[in-house]
Amino acid sequence: DTAVSQTPKYLVTQMGNDKSIKCEQNLGHDTMYWYKQDSKKFLKIMFSYNNKELIINETVPNRFSPKSPDKAHLNLHINSLELGDSAVYFCASSRQGGDGELFFGEGSRLTVL
Amino acid sequence: SQKIEQNSEALNIQEGKTATLTCNYTNYSPAYLQWYRQDPGRGPVFLLLIRENEKEKRKERLKVTFDTTLKQSLFHITASQPADSATYLCARSAGNMLTFGGGTRLMVKP
Repeated sequence: DTAVSQTPKYLVTQMGNDKSIKCEQNLGHDTMYWYKQDSKKFLKIMFSYNNKELIINETVPNRFSPKSPDKAHLNLHINSLELGDSAVYFCASSRQGGDGELFFGEGSRLTVL
Repeated sequence: SQKIEQNSEALNIQEGKTATLTCNYTNYSPAYLQWYRQDPGRGPVFLLLIRENEKEKRKERLKVTFDTTLKQSLFHITASQPADSATYLCARSAGNMLTFGGGTRLMVKP
């Protein structure tokens, strides 16, 4: 039973395409996140949702659109992909509020050619 | 902005020795710091949390300290093993989110 699962694990696509990454957590957590890890291994937060509501949106181009159909799912849709979007994208979840540890998925490696 | 910095150079140590990793932060002290382990091709895994009012926290062979004067946290692994080889990430609380450092890669040689 994978706590936070994201698909696909690998995604190779051409510039200009639109793609989606899906994330599901079975931990009963209220808060979910998307992080981007670049080639230098820095993990940067992109979005955070609490009970399906957007609470953090960190200077991310509006080509990126998160969607949370329910509190167990947070999907990431990316329009008009660019070379600089190549990275590993991590989904994570935590209990609502404060200092809860983050539970991460295994990551989705996106390569834009 | 609230920065958090880790030594980007890899740390190589011999099996059985104590590994010490450093995490420095800027501006005000965060309410807490967290440490994660990340293996290649995997997501980060939570290890320890230490609050601003705690000087030290231990878990098995792991020890974390929090020095608000130096604006620094140290992460120690005692009696290190080759299986401890991984990248270790420090993260600070910043409002209602975590800000991560770039991680330090630890290599423990047999």
